[in-house]
Amino acid sequence: DTEVTQTPKHLVMGMTNKKSLKCEQHMGHRAMYWYKQKAKKPPELMFVYSYEKLSINESVPSRFSPECPNSSLLNLHLHALQPEDSALYLCASSQAGRLGQPQHFGDGTRLSIL
Amino acid sequence: AQTVTQSQPEMSVQEAETVTLSCTYDTSESDYYLFWYKQPPSRQMILVIRQEAYKQQNATENRFSVNFQKAAKSFSLKISDSQLGDAAMYFCAALRSSGTYKYIFGTGTRLKVLA
Repeated sequence: DTEVTQTPKHLVMGMTNKKSLKCEQHMGHRAMYWYKQKAKKPPELMFVYSYEKLSINESVPSRFSPECPNSSLLNLHLHALQPEDSALYLCASSQAGRLGQPQHFGDGTRLSIL
Repeated sequence: AQTVTQSQPEMSVQEAETVTLSCTYDTSESDYYLFWYKQPPSRQMILVIRQEAYKQQNATENRFSVNFQKAAKSFSLKISDSQLGDAAMYFCAALRSSGTYKYIFGTGTRLKVLA
């Protein structure tokens, strides 16, 4: 069973649309991550939240807007995306406050921009 | 800056045989953590094994073990008795211990298991 749940699993949107990706975990993890992954490539870090505060933003374009409304939820708001933004978007979580903790990944949302 | 290198884009192994996937890393940190993750096609990425750099003993998880050579900055993964379900993309990753959540991933090795 996937302990990190991502919805939707697939999303097709036009370049002018606004949509959101959702990620939820109930493992008590206080670090949550968004990654972008292209086919046959490693995940690229986008954002990290620790204790519900944005701690890392890897210079991601402003058309991607993260939000962490509580310790279990992580959203990624999308607006005016480009075709090159088509990718698998992975959410992950890990324990915070303890060194070297592994990440738990969701199944991802496969995003296609028309 | 940390870097992680996986020099084998693709590997093949016969079912029931043993295969070793290579990973090297570069860091100026004295303390860090190393991971191997497995990502089957269209499926979730999962942790295979974790190594703490300050521990000399190589980590082992059932059929999976690592050969950690700290001086050489090498962290290879050995899969024994390979099974068809081991076919996946394998990523090596490194994490500094100094209060950061930035995991550095290698480029991955695609493992094929031949029946």
